[in-house]
Amino acid sequence: EPEVTQTPSHQVTQMGQEVILRCVPISNHLYFYWYRQILGQKVEFLVSFYNNEISEKSEIFDDQFSVERPDGSNFTLKIRSTKLEDSAMYFCASAGGGYYGYTFGSGTRLTVV
Amino acid sequence: TQLLEQSPQFLSIQEGENLTVYCNSSSVFSSLQWYRQEPGEGPVLLVTVVTGGEVKKLKRLTFQFGDARKDSSLHITAAQTGDTGLYLCAGGSGNTPLVFGKGTRLSVIA
Repeated sequence: EPEVTQTPSHQVTQMGQEVILRCVPISNHLYFYWYRQILGQKVEFLVSFYNNEISEKSEIFDDQFSVERPDGSNFTLKIRSTKLEDSAMYFCASAGGGYYGYTFGSGTRLTVV
Repeated sequence: TQLLEQSPQFLSIQEGENLTVYCNSSSVFSSLQWYRQEPGEGPVLLVTVVTGGEVKKLKRLTFQFGDARKDSSLHITAAQTGDTGLYLCAGGSGNTPLVFGKGTRLSVIA
């Protein structure tokens, strides 16, 4: 069964530091997403990526956030200057398009201290 | 903004009982998906429904999409302790990103 792989599984960072969360989506998928889940809250959409560019982003995805697909396989989420409220599980997902469901990774637990 | 409301928020039942959880919205979705999430893990897709009135079965789980494509239900027959988890519904329209409900946390007690 193809998987979406996320690294690291846990990251603790100082407030104001930059973090990069990494994802390897399923190889033949075309659509890529980042979602986050603050502890005890619902899964929230951050950004979608298709054809090497952002296709949609939420109001959470402000100028502190950026995404890249640097080498055709990895898909990264960068937070430039982390805030305490960025602490959450960050999930990467990929999809083949149409009505196919998303395949999620196991997530990166980000803790900002 | 499309919202999905799930009920109940929490459900605790004995092994062997049947249960139904609900997912409702005021918006029409072109597809609705159900996921199950374990603690510390990402959501895992259970099923996608796309046609109003559609019913899909996955072993002891029965999923239904409402005729108007605004609501869905998940029915579990003879629940087992392994069914314990967070059940999430998520709605999609075209290629817009999925919107998730808050989930129903199910606990099945032996």
